[in-house]
Amino acid sequence: DSGVTQTPKHLITATGQRVTLRCSPRSGDLSVYWYQQSLDQGLQFLIQYYNGEERAKGNILERFSAQQFPDLHSELNLSSLELGDSALYFCASSGPSSYNSPLHFGNGTRLTVT
Amino acid sequence: GQQVMQIPQYQHVQEGEDFTTYCNSSTTLSNIQWYKQRPGGHPVFLIQLVKSGEVKKQKRLTFQFGEAKKNSSLHITATQTTDVGTYFCAGLGGAGSYQLTFGKGTKLSVIP
Repeated sequence: DSGVTQTPKHLITATGQRVTLRCSPRSGDLSVYWYQQSLDQGLQFLIQYYNGEERAKGNILERFSAQQFPDLHSELNLSSLELGDSALYFCASSGPSSYNSPLHFGNGTRLTVT
Repeated sequence: GQQVMQIPQYQHVQEGEDFTTYCNSSTTLSNIQWYKQRPGGHPVFLIQLVKSGEVKKQKRLTFQFGEAKKNSSLHITATQTTDVGTYFCAGLGGAGSYQLTFGKGTKLSVIP
């Protein structure tokens, strides 16, 4: 158990809809990362937050947004969903020294857009 | 932007054979991390390399970081069925960069 909690585990929704994925980092971790993993694809970096502030941004679509709350949990909002958004979305957290700390991944949320 | 290429994409080996995956970055890295993702699971951190030319071992796994800090490799000696999974390298860019870029991974299958 990595200590990172992601909910829900599975999400099935229709095109055009909006969903929210939730992540609780390991106790004490200040950084939260979001990654997208499509079938047989690598991990595409979406965005990183550190102690409530956006720290790095990857290939995140404008239809997607995220935030990290004062209690350090994070939410990833996906709107105007398309079939191509179907993927496994991972949240990861890292320790206080996020520059060199390894990432601890949650079990992921599998999103299916129909 | 920073790109991390990883080869091969797939590797099938007979149990007992060796396995190597290679990782190359388009830019000099501050450090490189390796992760393993079992089928149906999430990536799990294996190791981090920071110094130029660094070599680290974990039992049958040997990790190397190139002298120029732009490439890395993971070598598994005498593979076992428990080694099955996808191995990812992830590079952290130069000074001031916080973005950890993952390679596409090498999916290892071990035939008993």
